[in-house]
Amino acid sequence: ETGVTQSPTHLIKTRGQQVTLRCSSQSGHNTVSWYQQALGQGPQFIFQYYREEENGRGNFPPRFSGLQFPNYSSELNVNALELDDSALYLCASSSHIGRYNSPLHFGNGTRLTVT
Amino acid sequence: AQRVTQPEKLLSVFKGAPVELKCNYSYSGSPELFWYVQYSRQRLQLLLRHISRESIKGFTADLNKGETSFHLKKPFAQEEDSAMYYCALSGHSGGSNYKLTFGKGTLLTVNP
Repeated sequence: ETGVTQSPTHLIKTRGQQVTLRCSSQSGHNTVSWYQQALGQGPQFIFQYYREEENGRGNFPPRFSGLQFPNYSSELNVNALELDDSALYLCASSSHIGRYNSPLHFGNGTRLTVT
Repeated sequence: AQRVTQPEKLLSVFKGAPVELKCNYSYSGSPELFWYVQYSRQRLQLLLRHISRESIKGFTADLNKGETSFHLKKPFAQEEDSAMYYCALSGHSGGSNYKLTFGKGTLLTVNP
């Protein structure tokens, strides 16, 4: 069983730039969620993707966007980076079948630093 | 609105002592509660969920709807329990939305 993998592990960007983070879901999972974890805080829900469509969104501005591909992998894109976007970005996959959602399986995260 | 509060940022106990990590939540509907754990240099992983009503690694947690709490307990702490613990809530808002709201976490240190 292949777990959730994220790339890159670390990234440094300049304010105003754009960034793309990638995630491969665990085998057998069809749903991907993204979370932002600032230092000293718990993870905060950004959005979830199911069947290649956004399926729920947290309190994040539109410059945070995503994609899910037919193989269930996903990308998180952030435009016009701000200093406060510096955080650990976590990807989590799960299996949604009918009304059942399996528990989330998390990746190791991508540490984004905006200077 | 969903909210999870973990009042203790740090908790330190001695090996063999009982441990209780507190979690209170705010949610108007019927929530699903979880405890996630992150050991040093490892990824965040599910410890237990209230609907399973099971004991994992000696830990248990009971959902108390009257007190809106989901405290994590273990009668005899072990050094390997040292980790960051996060309480999380999922409010089923219909459909397949599975948004988790996390608390800020409690760092548990079990001393020898």
